[in-house]
Amino acid sequence: DTGVSQDPRHKITKRGQNVTFRCDPISEHNRLYWYRQTLGQGPEFLTYFQNEAQLEKSRLLSDRFSAERPKGSFSTLEIQRTEQGDSAMYLCASSFGTSGPGELFFGEGSRLTVL
Amino acid sequence: GNSVTQMEGPVTLSEEAFLTINCTYTATGYPSLFWYVQYPGEGLQLLLKATKADDKGSNKGFEATYRKETTSFHLEKGSVQVSDSAVYFCALSDLQRAAGNKLTFGGGTRVLVKP
Repeated sequence: DTGVSQDPRHKITKRGQNVTFRCDPISEHNRLYWYRQTLGQGPEFLTYFQNEAQLEKSRLLSDRFSAERPKGSFSTLEIQRTEQGDSAMYLCASSFGTSGPGELFFGEGSRLTVL
Repeated sequence: GNSVTQMEGPVTLSEEAFLTINCTYTATGYPSLFWYVQYPGEGLQLLLKATKADDKGSNKGFEATYRKETTSFHLEKGSVQVSDSAVYFCALSDLQRAAGNKLTFGGGTRVLVKP
């Protein structure tokens, strides 16, 4: 059983460029979450999918951010016109709809550095 | 809104010492409470959970009791090992919300156990 995988693990980009991260959840999981974690802080919720439907977005998710989960399997998180403040670890997690509360399975994250 | 406050680290201990990490929360409704652990180079993983008042979660020698009267969920271990060196995150999930297993995390506490 493979866990949650994220790609790329590291991305360095220049301010103003677009970046895209991919998340492959555990195969039978219908729920998928994106979190952001800055240095020394806990993860902050960004958005949540149940199957292909995006059910909630945080106010942290500005118009430059967009997330998709087109077939209810993998998901992408795109950041347009990156800013230095976007530098963070982007975490993906998945869960199965009938599992216990809070049992999220996290990937190792995609670290973004904006120069 | 919901929030989680946990003691700042780093916490440095000798092997076999007693560990406690304080966690308090603010939430509407009746949250479930969790401790997640992040070992070096790995993704966050669930350590233990408690879903109602006075429940005790336990795993790998760690324990935490859901105290509604003090809104706390302190993590304890009687005798730590070098392998317990990690960052520990307290979190809550308010199932009154629509967003499935959305979690609110504390800032994390780094624990370093020396031989």
